[in-house]
Amino acid sequence: AQSVTQPDIHITVSEGASLELRCNYSYGATPYLFWYVQSPGQGLQLLLKYFSGDTLVQGIKGFEAEFKRSQSSFNLRKPSVHWSDAAEYFCAVGEGGADGLTFGKGTHLIIQP
Amino acid sequence: DTGVSQDPRHKITKRGQNVTFRCDPISEHNRLYWYRQTLGQGPEFLTYFQNEAQLEKSRLLSDRFSAERPKGSFSTLEIQRTEQGDSAMYLCASGATNEKLFFGSGTQLSVL
Repeated sequence: AQSVTQPDIHITVSEGASLELRCNYSYGATPYLFWYVQSPGQGLQLLLKYFSGDTLVQGIKGFEAEFKRSQSSFNLRKPSVHWSDAAEYFCAVGEGGADGLTFGKGTHLIIQP
Repeated sequence: DTGVSQDPRHKITKRGQNVTFRCDPISEHNRLYWYRQTLGQGPEFLTYFQNEAQLEKSRLLSDRFSAERPKGSFSTLEIQRTEQGDSAMYLCASGATNEKLFFGSGTQLSVL
């Protein structure tokens, strides 16, 4: 069965500092990987996705993620965070087909002034 | 593109009552999903529609839960005889074939 692990429940970063959110997955085939962001009272918004090809994918809002098959990881990065990046971030795996997506438990990002 | 709309935004009910939620997907999206999200957890897949056909149901979806998408457009999720453990955010998502999913803002259910 597929699964996603986000080891960090909370992360605190100073505004302007770099960010890396960790994600490890377990999936039987070539994974489709996603990062979503959820702000209070908002729906989930897709930041980026990996299906195949270049292992470094660019997303919206200046985020990027790198797929590393050998480490079963898909970590999310941003070179310089803004206060508006404070939110809950979810990594997900799956094809989005009949089985839907399997989400991690999320990482709560706190931005310090 | 008006986005995925869910109604109501919040629902408070007493244990044992029935509740129904509605999801209006983005028009022409043939795929529709229901997820449940509890505090401190990621969304959990509940069920999936391809047009009007319900193609997949999670084992999380007990017999008290039923979902429909009668005309392949809007969908409803009904919970009968609600229990306190049903308290959660219920999320709807839609997408076109091989395209990304768009999520609604969810319906927050509180069972007292």
